[in-house]
Amino acid sequence: EVQLVESGGGLVQPGGSLRLSCTGSGFTFSGYCMNWVRQAPGKGLEWVANIKQDGSEKYYVDSVKGRFTISRDNAENSVYLQMNSLRAEDTAIYYCARDRVTQYFYYGMDVWGQGTTVTVSS
Amino acid sequence: EIVLTQSPATLSLSPGERATLSCRASQSLSSFLAWYQQKPGQSPRLLIFDTSNRATGIPARFSGSRSGTDFTLTISSLEPEDFAVYYCQQRSKWPLTFGGGTQVEIK
Repeated sequence: EVQLVESGGGLVQPGGSLRLSCTGSGFTFSGYCMNWVRQAPGKGLEWVANIKQDGSEKYYVDSVKGRFTISRDNAENSVYLQMNSLRAEDTAIYYCARDRVTQYFYYGMDVWGQGTTVTVSS
Repeated sequence: EIVLTQSPATLSLSPGERATLSCRASQSLSSFLAWYQQKPGQSPRLLIFDTSNRATGIPARFSGSRSGTDFTLTISSLEPEDFAVYYCQQRSKWPLTFGGGTQVEIK
């Protein structure tokens, strides 16, 4: 079965750090870009970060640049999100999702994890 | 940043009716647009990729189209399980962006 499983969420104080993990199974992990997407309570989806298949390129939404770092370990079939200097507005469910794109075609984020909840509060 | 504006915010329809959801991009976009469905307490599910291609297992009543910077998701005849929130998402330029969502609710 193709799946992604996130872990690492929890309650953290403002200014604190957290590291999220997402492990894939049932597919060739190294063949896909990986994304983190978050959803604040009662709000819509917000893309957070993307990492290319080999980890050579990384992209972030402006609001997390300099605070969050995405990385991956293809040997462990895992992608990570290191979150530092957390703020109340980072409170959300964090999903990992795979996607694939070629020069002429976008295959969409076709597999999503169940999400892990991050709460930033004192 | 490409802003995706979804309309309407809420669509109230009855089962069997046709649903037309709009996603307007703030600038020219390639075909790299996808649509997702999300139900309460669940992760998003891919419906349509690259503007008009149905994802695996998605019924034929779901279709996607494009006219310039206007993208449309059409549900030809609503089934009870289709009442949910729908998001569009672009992969044409960084940062990736999602639309604000359209909630399809039972009238």
